[in-house]
Amino acid sequence: DQQVKQNSPSLSVQEGRISILNCDYTNSMFDYFLWYKKYPAEGPTFLISISSIKDKNEDGRFTVFLNKSAKHLSLHIVPSQPGDSAVYFCAASVWGAQKLVFGQGTRLTINP
Amino acid sequence: DTAVSQTPKYLVTQMGNDKSIKCEQNLGHDTMYWYKQDSKKFLKIMFSYNNKELIINETVPNRFSPKSPDKAHLNLHINSLELGDSAVYFCASSQVIGSRTTEAFFGQGTRLTVV
Repeated sequence: DQQVKQNSPSLSVQEGRISILNCDYTNSMFDYFLWYKKYPAEGPTFLISISSIKDKNEDGRFTVFLNKSAKHLSLHIVPSQPGDSAVYFCAASVWGAQKLVFGQGTRLTINP
Repeated sequence: DTAVSQTPKYLVTQMGNDKSIKCEQNLGHDTMYWYKQDSKKFLKIMFSYNNKELIINETVPNRFSPKSPDKAHLNLHINSLELGDSAVYFCASSQVIGSRTTEAFFGQGTRLTVV
């Protein structure tokens, strides 16, 4: 039972354009969401997070949107740069549960 | 100065052997984790330790035994390795604030290959 799903295994975007990565979840108890970026042979690195009391959080080129009614979140990267090429994982947690539940990742490729 | 470091980075071993992976964090976090990334690329929690106390054991076979000598270290020992144990194992740490797990910091991973 995969509670966090990233249905697009890969995404290709032209440099300078917007990249939109999507994530769906099934557990309505999740109240904190995170995005991680992972390069090959490295561990995931934290990008941005959002609490369920908000519907948007912005940090530089990265914006996360949360739609609680649809149980959906998305990560927008504007403008996309070659260094953004990586695998992106969304993750979620429940208050009081000391773990993160991850999606299976989306490989983003930024083309010059 | 690496925040979460795990060794070794690569581990190739035969079925039936016993092996250990070490992890150390210098972030002062009170919670450490082991995650497994399987062949389908899912990252799944195995164990969570808070101040050296086991909090989560996510139905992991008892051949896997974590050990936390202090809150900066969480080692993973695996007995009688099987082919299906081949995966990338990630150590992570985070600070728990008021029962909220904040963002976790990950080590570089250990790619375990059982032959």
